Amino acid sequence: DTEVTQTPKHLVMGMTNKKSLKCEQHMGHRAMYWYKQKAKKPPELMFVYSYEKLSINESVPSRFSPECPNSSLLNLHLHALQPEDSALYLCASSRLGGRGPSGANVLTFGAGSRLTVL
Amino acid sequence: TQLLEQSPQFLSIQEGENLTVYCNSSSVFSSLQWYRQEPGEGPVLLVTVVTGGEVKKLKRLTFQFGDARKDSSLHITAAQPGDTGLYLCAGGYNFNKFYFGSGTKLNVKP
Repeated sequence: DTEVTQTPKHLVMGMTNKKSLKCEQHMGHRAMYWYKQKAKKPPELMFVYSYEKLSINESVPSRFSPECPNSSLLNLHLHALQPEDSALYLCASSRLGGRGPSGANVLTFGAGSRLTVL
Repeated sequence: TQLLEQSPQFLSIQEGENLTVYCNSSSVFSSLQWYRQEPGEGPVLLVTVVTGGEVKKLKRLTFQFGDARKDSSLHITAAQPGDTGLYLCAGGYNFNKFYFGSGTKLNVKP
């Protein structure tokens, strides 16, 4: 199994709603990531979890709250978002440390969750 | 501030033409990856380069990593409409921090 699965694929929410994005992988990767991607822009790093602990937070507003319940799951809890938070949210995973079969550590991405904040 | 600069940002060519996309930075990377992304999908890994001066070929695609590990290029020979997409380079600063380049949107017309 070499997939990263993200749900839901599309989400529309109001500014007062609370919702969550979910990500799951079964590749045994111990690093998981959230990226945000606006239209026609590259992905921007938001959070990194290493061994289920938050290791990198790229100064993301607190209305985004990540959670890593176990080594296979990664959630992104959303509360009081703004319309400018509308974007494609990408989850990725990778090995931790060392080098993979290709000679380097690489990211495997999910298909993304398209979020629209009204 | 973009850590990795890609050029060109947009490229529209006819089927059969050759093209080169560049990825440059002032920083040294432990590794550099190239991804292709289709609309509404996540980026898909094309190749990883780790050694300065390394050249890798994937069918009609040729990837090169600069000697100083600060830059890379992607060359496509005889482009086809199926090559259309957003091409992204990503630099690894350590084993778990990856930053993406500004992206090159390629359109290959039949």
